[in-house]
Amino acid sequence: QGQLVQSGAEVKEPGASVKVSCKASGYTFTNYWMHWVRQAPGQGFEWMGVINPGGDITAYAQNFHGRVTMTWDTSTTTVYMELSGLKSEDTATYYCARDNSVVVGTATSWWFDPWGQGTLVTVSS
Amino acid sequence: QSALTQPASVSGSPGQSITISCTGTSSDVGSYSLVSWYQQHPGKAPKLMIYEGTKRSFGVSDRFSASKSGNTASLTISGLQGEDEADYYCCSHAGTTFSWLFGGGTKVTVL
Repeated sequence: QGQLVQSGAEVKEPGASVKVSCKASGYTFTNYWMHWVRQAPGQGFEWMGVINPGGDITAYAQNFHGRVTMTWDTSTTTVYMELSGLKSEDTATYYCARDNSVVVGTATSWWFDPWGQGTLVTVSS
Repeated sequence: QSALTQPASVSGSPGQSITISCTGTSSDVGSYSLVSWYQQHPGKAPKLMIYEGTKRSFGVSDRFSASKSGNTASLTISGLQGEDEADYYCCSHAGTTFSWLFGGGTKVTVL
């Protein structure tokens, strides 16, 4: 089934960068892409981007273009998400979530499972 | 792309059935993408409940079921129990390459 374990909470000043890690275990990580999703306090989820297991394909949500970078360290089966130019609005819990997908007839199903436990990033001066 | 539309809150008494709707467009929910549903208790990570539009994830009670009609997907909880009190989110591929949308979330309250 697999497990994702994320790094601990971070407090950053505006303008700084943060790098969150997500270690994958219990499954063949080379078979699955990884997403990052964030949740501001009291709010819903916002998809940030996805990276393939080789680390050579990434796709980022428009809202984060130019500020987010996702990478893989295959030697440690750890994926990283770095967000730069932090603003107070970036205060949120950041989650990694494994991609799953299957073609069902003419439709395609994607779902996120498992999820990491979340990493709270607080941006404050 | 806008978030999918869910009611902010739904409530019911123990034993009752409730339904949470998730409305999108013909490009996402109404397209070739099948919706997934997630449950989140306060302070916890989301938990997959439904995938492939209607299939329950491992260990999820058969009191949870899902369906879709046109641009609206729905999650039904039958025999409502106190442990079902949580936030529920739908998710769909946005119809364009590498883009996913979430609903705004529905808070389920057991009266």
